[in-house]
This record gives sequence, structure tokens and C-alpha cells, in this order.
Amino acid sequence: DTGVSQNPRHKITKRGQNVTFRCDPISEHNRLYWYRQTLGQGPEFLTYFQNEAQLEKSRLLSDRFSAERPKGSFSTLEIQRTEQGDSAMYLCASSLGVTVGAFFGQGTRLTVV
Amino acid sequence: DQQVKQNSPSLSVQEGRISILNCDYTNSMFDYFLWYKKYPAEGPTFLISISSIKDKNEDGRFTVFLNKSAKHLSLHIVPSQPGDSAVYFCAARKQGGSEKLVFGKGTKLTVNP
Repeated sequence: DTGVSQNPRHKITKRGQNVTFRCDPISEHNRLYWYRQTLGQGPEFLTYFQNEAQLEKSRLLSDRFSAERPKGSFSTLEIQRTEQGDSAMYLCASSLGVTVGAFFGQGTRLTVV
Repeated sequence: DQQVKQNSPSLSVQEGRISILNCDYTNSMFDYFLWYKKYPAEGPTFLISISSIKDKNEDGRFTVFLNKSAKHLSLHIVPSQPGDSAVYFCAARKQGGSEKLVFGKGTKLTVNP
């Protein structure tokens, strides 16, 4: 399978705990994106990497959120001190350029209880 | 502030007929538009895109039309097939080289056999 891989698929955590998600993009793609989707909404942009450089960040990405792509390959998204409002589907995508279409992974569904 | 609007939450059509999905936008700085399809429990899949310098783009059964003066685009699927049943998202990118996509809330298409 050469698509975008996200792990874990599901995560249930208690409020106040830290969580980390991983995304493995399509190998030749230099661009990697994180989006968040809540019920009944479209995906909302969180951040974007070109290779290892984080070039765009949404103001949705509060101080509790951090994303890395240390070697320009896989990426991690960490949420510290989770809140119930963080419950959502976290989507990762990769591409060779947004105008040619990004390939999305299946997402990580986070539930904060 | 919903910059990309899909005002129809759902659409039902008969197999073989045309499906028309609509999208309106408010930001005249958008220069590229994309349509994504999403099946349950999967990430969105890129379908087709159009640059703001064009008014039509066609790919097989899928055609996207852009009316810049009305800030309106539509996706036509002809003929519709049951496998097209999914949620369709319209997305837009601001000019200036941003990689951020702004998504609408989606329209659920059901194609009845």
C-alpha cells in the first residue's frame, strides 16, 4: 500500500492527557498537510510542511498543538493537555503541490473523555 | 465566516441521470478550486480541479464549471452511478502560493439504482 498512512486510527484519551499522532506520506511527496474535521464540517487546515520546513500554520493550531516533520518524511502531531473540544478526526495529506490534488490518509479519530 | 459554502447538505438522483453539486465562495482572492469525494471511514479523495483562469474542466464523467462573476462553481456527474454515492467537498485556495485549502461543509450525494 503506497498511500498516506496514519496511526493510530482511533485514540480515546482522558482530558488533560497528551496525545501524539503519526503520518507517513507518499514517499515522493515533499508537501505534507494536517487538517482537522468535526462532525458536519469540512476539513479545516491546521498546518503545512514542505520537506522539513513548517511553512504555514492556522490560528486554530493553539499553543497546545505542535507538529514536526524532522527528516522531511513522516510527521507527528502532538496535542498537549487535551480538551473535549479537541475531539475530531485528524487528517493528514501529502502532495507534490496543492493544485494537483492532495492525497489524504484515513485519519485518526480522537475522542477526549 | 464560511468562505466556501455548499448550501445543499444532501442530493438524491437516479442512476444514469445528471448530478449537479453546487458551491459558492465569498473570497475573490481564491484562484484555484478543487472537488473531493469522501466515502465513510476513508479520507477525502481528490476528484477534479479548476484554475480561476478557466471556466470549465472536464475529466471523464466529471465536469467542473466556474462562474467567477457569480463566485459560483458546480460539479456535474454524468451519468451518475451508485458508486458515486459519497460526500462531496468543494475546496478553494487563495492566490499567492498558499498551500492551505478552505473546504465547504460538503454535500451528501445518493445515487439510487
